[in-house]
Amino acid sequence: ILLTQSPGTLSFSPGERATLSCRASQIISNNYVAWYQQKPGQAPRLLIFAASTRATGIPDRFGGSGSGTDFTLTVSRLEPEDFAVYYCQQYGTSPVTFGGGTKVEIK
Amino acid sequence: QLQLQESGPRLVKPSETLSLTCTVSVGSISSRAYYWGWIRQPPGEGLEWIGSIYYNGDTWYSPSLQSRATLSIVTSKNQFSLNLMSLTAADTAVYFCARAGLSGWPPRVFDYWAQGTLVTVSS
Repeated sequence: ILLTQSPGTLSFSPGERATLSCRASQIISNNYVAWYQQKPGQAPRLLIFAASTRATGIPDRFGGSGSGTDFTLTVSRLEPEDFAVYYCQQYGTSPVTFGGGTKVEIK
Repeated sequence: QLQLQESGPRLVKPSETLSLTCTVSVGSISSRAYYWGWIRQPPGEGLEWIGSIYYNGDTWYSPSLQSRATLSIVTSKNQFSLNLMSLTAADTAVYFCARAGLSGWPPRVFDYWAQGTLVTVSS
């Protein structure tokens, strides 16, 4: 399954709301979508799994939604530490695949 | 909290085999709830899943790498390993080991990651 994250870069000011898109080439079974955050030189960090379940320790300003082929990660109020690259992942169909990533940069 | 650490060479010659080991600490690799996986990331690019292994040795691989990748596990050492053969420059990447759990079976959500190892394929 091909995952498309567009646009590749989004620019926001701290405090703004960010909405990131992930579109799949076919329906993702069980809405098995995860979202990760990655900062330069670091490993990805799991934020969301099963489309909308926050991982342990993830602040509630991060939210996931969607079903079928269209999924969204929302950051309700961007904090300085939220500027990073975000990847979606589908795990409903083998093989696991990742989107190309969306960079959230400071405007 | 669970920790993972990769070890292995940083520079490998073309056509040779890459061998990486991931050591798990503050947790058991023999847990029946988790798989253990390898993911790679070429410089400046996105993430690619390579394969995953269970404590009993069950494996599954990405079709694109299945012919060249072999995963193994040594529960007594709390370690699992990746061998990737017939390397080319396209295999230059940061290689991550990670735990897969939380959702689906076999689980494929990666909730704990090692810091990553940059492996360069060059003569």
